[in-house]
Amino acid sequence: DIQMTQSPSSVSASVGDRVTITCRASQGLGRWLAWYQQKPGKAPKLLIFAASSLQSGVPSRFSGSGSGTDFTLTISSLQPEDFATYFCQQTHSFPRTFGQGTKVEVK
Amino acid sequence: EVQLVQSGAEVKKPGESLKISCTGSGYFFSSFWIGWVRQMPGRGLEWMGIIYPRNSETRYSPSFQGQVTMSVDKSISTAYLQWSSLKASDTAIYFCARQDPAQNYDSWGQGTLVTVSS
Repeated sequence: DIQMTQSPSSVSASVGDRVTITCRASQGLGRWLAWYQQKPGKAPKLLIFAASSLQSGVPSRFSGSGSGTDFTLTISSLQPEDFATYFCQQTHSFPRTFGQGTKVEVK
Repeated sequence: EVQLVQSGAEVKKPGESLKISCTGSGYFFSSFWIGWVRQMPGRGLEWMGIIYPRNSETRYSPSFQGQVTMSVDKSISTAYLQWSSLKASDTAIYFCARQDPAQNYDSWGQGTLVTVSS
């Protein structure tokens, strides 16, 4: 199985901050990586697919980059509704695997 | 509007069987794979497997192979996840999700909480 490692596990930030989350894969994925946002008690929501493509309806402050084994999710200016947990997922091989999650908390 | 609606919360005893459902609407159900994802209390997301409603083809994670069974009834646009003998460690929220052609989960059900306790 491909192992996905996110860092940090949590980050404390303020509204307006730039937040960067990284995801490292145990083997190359090309650009087969997605990012999801999950709020408490809710289902995950697709933000980014193919490493850097923004899902329809997702604000442009979210962006993704990377290829191969190293990927990044960036929130350019954190908004109150962005406090949540973020997961990466590789869609390169079976079984699909998720990172362990990064919680973005209020500083 | 694409929607996936899951069945309600369940409380079961160890050893009991269970089948939960996920009903799709707003799109052609048979043409999109449906995935299942587990989230144990306070934990991350675990990919369980996927099923293709058109022909019931399945792909299971090795971690869940033999532990659960995925099935579909395309005539009613519904996918199922079932257990023959539940364990306390099956306590979790189970999400279904539609897989788009690019392999991403673009629509999700609201989740079904399964609690297994004696």
